[in-house]
This record gives sequence, structure tokens and C-alpha cells, in this order.
Amino acid sequence: DAGITQSPRHKVTETGTPVTLRCHQTENHRYMYWYRQDPGHGLRLIHYSYGVKDTDKGEVSDGYSVSRSKTEDFLLTLESATSSQTSVYFCAISESTGGGYEQYFGPGTRLTVT
Amino acid sequence: GENVEQHPSTLSVQEGDSAVIKCTYSDSASNYFPWYKQELGKRPQLIIDIRSNVGEKKDQRIAVTLNKTAKHFSLHITETQPEDSAVYFCAASLLSGTYKYIFGTGTRLKVLA
Repeated sequence: DAGITQSPRHKVTETGTPVTLRCHQTENHRYMYWYRQDPGHGLRLIHYSYGVKDTDKGEVSDGYSVSRSKTEDFLLTLESATSSQTSVYFCAISESTGGGYEQYFGPGTRLTVT
Repeated sequence: GENVEQHPSTLSVQEGDSAVIKCTYSDSASNYFPWYKQELGKRPQLIIDIRSNVGEKKDQRIAVTLNKTAKHFSLHITETQPEDSAVYFCAASLLSGTYKYIFGTGTRLKVLA
């Protein structure tokens, strides 16, 4: 499982409330990612990080912010949750391995915004 | 923007037959193409990948082919088994060196016993 955990694994929240999802890794990987998965859309990149305090936007970043103050933790925040943000969120890591950069996923967080 | 198209969206095959899933990408700078298998309620799992300097790669019953000129790559599963039933995603790297990826929309494979 590449030493990746996500918390919480399930969350139900109300529209307009802030929500923070946590991704934690134990193997000192440099690159970390947040994706959302919705039926018919596959996996879409929200934000990613290429080092401590170094982040960049993905294709669906509106309404989301991220922070990475330590190598092992990558936080995703929904400042004011909306029903359109109901989804399954996957964290992932990637590491260059002498010509390869395989990406591995965490177990996912199912978020429901009511 | 850049995208990856994946076909078919659903595929049913008889056990023992072969399955082929095809993807087309738009970013000519893409140089890494992984395939993931996702079982219901589970995380996507990397099953095979190919880099742009290789045309074909095999791992037991699965293989991936890449045609850089046509910008398409395919997953081939031979001698399919019921446990191959899952959703399969292709992906392509964006802008060499950025370690960002774009995914196809997935293929639901059903292997009928």
C-alpha cells in the first residue's frame, strides 16, 4: 500500500462547512497528489505537491486548497463545502525510480455533502 | 486542454477470451503511460506501465503496446479470468518532468464464467 493512509475514510458534512482531508505517507516520497473520482469522469487531479510548501493546481482546483508543511502530510481543504464536491477523494504518491515514476494511491475518503 | 480518451466504456468477454482496451492521448510531450485496475470499493492499483522509448511490454497475461506516432496505447489481457473483472484506467504523463498525469474515464470489464 506504499505506506499511504487517509483520514477520515468517510465523512458526511453540510453545505457551507469547511472540511479538511489528510493524507499521510511514511516513506518520504517527494510527490503527493489529490484526486477526486466521480462516475463517468475517472480520476481528476485537484492539486499536487512536489515538495514541502511547493504545490500546484490540477484540472479541478476551484473550491479546494492544499498545504504541505511536512514531507509526510498533504492536506486538502474545502473552504465551504458544496454538494458538487460530494465524491471519493484519493491521495497518491509518486517517486522517481531511475527512469520510472510509478504512482500509488491511498485507500480513499468518501465525502458526502448534504 | 490535454485529455486522454478511453474506449470502450464497458466490455464483456467470455472467460478465456482476450480483452483489449484502447486509449488515445493529446499531449505530444507525454512519455509515461500507466494502467490501473480498480475493484469495487478499492483503490486503483498499478498493473503495468510503459515508457515512450518502448513499443511493447508484457507481464504474464497482460501486455501494453504504444504507438507514439498515432498517440495511442492499448492494454491487452489474454486468457481472461473472473478475477480480471474490474474497472481499468489508462493514464498519460503531462509535460515531461512535472510528474502530473491525466486519466482516461475508465473501462468496466466483465469476464463471464
